[in-house]
Amino acid sequence: SAVISQKPSRDICQRGTSLTIQCQVDSQVTMMFWYRQQPGQSLTLIATANQGSEATYESGFVIDKFPISRPNLTFSTLTVSNMSPEDSSIYLCSVWDISTDTQYFGPGTRLTVL
Amino acid sequence: GQQLNQSPQSMFIQEGEDVSMNCTSSSIFNTWLWYKQDPGEGPVLLIALYKAGELTSNGRLTAQFGITRKDSFLNISASIPSDVGIYFCAGQLTGSQGNLIFGKGTKLSVKP
Repeated sequence: SAVISQKPSRDICQRGTSLTIQCQVDSQVTMMFWYRQQPGQSLTLIATANQGSEATYESGFVIDKFPISRPNLTFSTLTVSNMSPEDSSIYLCSVWDISTDTQYFGPGTRLTVL
Repeated sequence: GQQLNQSPQSMFIQEGEDVSMNCTSSSIFNTWLWYKQDPGEGPVLLIALYKAGELTSNGRLTAQFGITRKDSFLNISASIPSDVGIYFCAGQLTGSQGNLIFGKGTKLSVKP
């Protein structure tokens, strides 16, 4: 299975600032995703990070708030912009392994907004 | 939107007991995945199911893909303290590769 790392692992940020989360995979993957997990909740897909083109966002998520980059097949970033306390969540990067038709997750970034 | 109903929401059991949890949906899925999430960690894949009726084991864990393709269950036999965590089911709709729909999770607590 792919090995996924995320930076930072956690952060505490002030309201109104922005944070960029990095996701690095140890192998080339076609499909990368970003999820949000609010405290005590399940996972919700934010967007699919497309290599070389704009990300595909799910309903309720917009590019201005969550800009995503995907410069190559092993790396992606998610920015949480103009943060508010409601953005306090775990943000998770994941990849789809075509060979096994399964999805693997990174360790997550725990964000707290004051 | 699509929803998965996962039950129970939480379980508190004695070490050594067997555990069963399940997920149901009104939609048909072509893949069911079961994950475990420990505090402060990302979900870890336990079992993947690809065919209706498929029964798959991973150590003390057994999961089945329902014949109707709308449900799945996960059993844990002879639970141990390290089984503690939150278990999520996730389904993939046909034609939506990678776009998983997650259940709300089952929080398992094990008393030694």
